[in-house]
Amino acid sequence: QKEVEQNSGPLSVPEGAIASLNCTYSDRVSQSFFWYRQYSGKSPELIMSIYSNGDKEDGRFTAQLNKASQYVSLLIRDSQPSDSATYLCAATNIYSSASKIIFGSGTRLSIRP
Amino acid sequence: NAGVMQNPRHLVRRRGQEARLRCSPMKGHSHVYWYRQLPEEGLKFMVYLQKENIIDESGMPKERFSAEFPKEGPSILRIQQVVRGDSAAYFCASSPPSAGAIIEQYFGPGTRLTVT
Repeated sequence: QKEVEQNSGPLSVPEGAIASLNCTYSDRVSQSFFWYRQYSGKSPELIMSIYSNGDKEDGRFTAQLNKASQYVSLLIRDSQPSDSATYLCAATNIYSSASKIIFGSGTRLSIRP
Repeated sequence: NAGVMQNPRHLVRRRGQEARLRCSPMKGHSHVYWYRQLPEEGLKFMVYLQKENIIDESGMPKERFSAEFPKEGPSILRIQQVVRGDSAAYFCASSPPSAGAIIEQYFGPGTRLTVT
């Protein structure tokens, strides 16, 4: 089992709708969780970090963490064409250095006008 | 702009040559991480360094790859005797000294290595 798993997509969402990106993780990674956005040919950009159960909101983005079910999600409200990118879910590995981050393979999101 | 800096942005090497990739962390950051991304694949952790120390190199290939972060100057990822399979984007990230449960890493623009 991969430590961090994501559906590769592509996920197609109409402009203005809510995009919901999901990620599950194994027992081996269960400290802090991160969502990064990566445009094609560019470097990952940190969007959100979360380590407590529940929701964390920042502008149009909401990260949700459910440790009992071992999933973390990212909601993007009022989706814009500029949100079209690959979204990487990541987590720290409790069996390694606290700073080692394990990335999922990413979900491609496409916002259609 | 005090973001993470990497150079060169693009590097072409012939098989058997050496590749040196450099990374300067964000101002105030003392932790550096190197990741590799193959085309159409996710990011793979390679190594985590602090000044003059390798903290975690569990993702580094055992041969040909080495990394350092000297007291002065940038962190360097060195690949000796490159092969075509080394062609990838190499990203450096940095973070501040740990403070609390979350250690956020910020990425540089990457170095795209092409081995011919």
